[in-house]
Amino acid sequence: QLQLQESGPGLVKPSETLSLTCTVSDVSISSSDYFWGWIRQPPGKGLEWIGSIYNSGSSYDNPSLQSRVTMSIDTSNNQFSLKMSSVTAADTALYYCARHVSVGGGWWPDYFDSWGQGTLVTVSS
Amino acid sequence: DIVLTQSPDSLAVSLGERATINCKSSQRVLFTSNNKNHLAWYQQKPGQPPKLLIYWASTRESGVPDRFSGSGSGTDFTLTISSLQAEDVAVYYCQQYYSPPYTFGQGTRLDIK
Repeated sequence: QLQLQESGPGLVKPSETLSLTCTVSDVSISSSDYFWGWIRQPPGKGLEWIGSIYNSGSSYDNPSLQSRVTMSIDTSNNQFSLKMSSVTAADTALYYCARHVSVGGGWWPDYFDSWGQGTLVTVSS
Repeated sequence: DIVLTQSPDSLAVSLGERATINCKSSQRVLFTSNNKNHLAWYQQKPGQPPKLLIYWASTRESGVPDRFSGSGSGTDFTLTISSLQAEDVAVYYCQQYYSPPYTFGQGTRLDIK
């Protein structure tokens, strides 16, 4: 049974860099049918896609985040990571990692079929 | 970016009755190369992550009860719960994967009347 678990600091100071890791269990992150994605949800609000990465390291990210996002993947440890620089209070949110299915035959992945429980990151001094 | 607008923002339905949630896209999400609508539906219960219900607009994810169904094509889509159960109280989101950036609707809150 696939499990995803987010980890990282729950409190980040403004202007600093947010760093999160997602550990994937029971499924190889090297599978060719999946990207691995990050989605966030500000308290009481909706969902925003941050970015997704493939086992090769190729990735897509949301232009609305103005190039503040860096993603990486560690196939040997079955983990992938997110870094978001220059954070502000607007980046306070529940951050989810998710498996991003890529079976539609297109250039980019499709829907998210498994999600972690999420980790709350608060940006505050 | 593709904007998804859900309606209504919230609704309350009696147990056993039908619930209908709409999702309208700012542009067509029908991919001509595979003739599929690149739209998914998720259910989010309080304190839980979203759960995939429907993909390709109408394909039910494994394990999802058959009272959940998706329909529509092009720019207009519908999630229908044929007979509302108490455990269906949640917020429902549509999501397009026609092109990045992937976007979600604003969510529809479903409660029991």
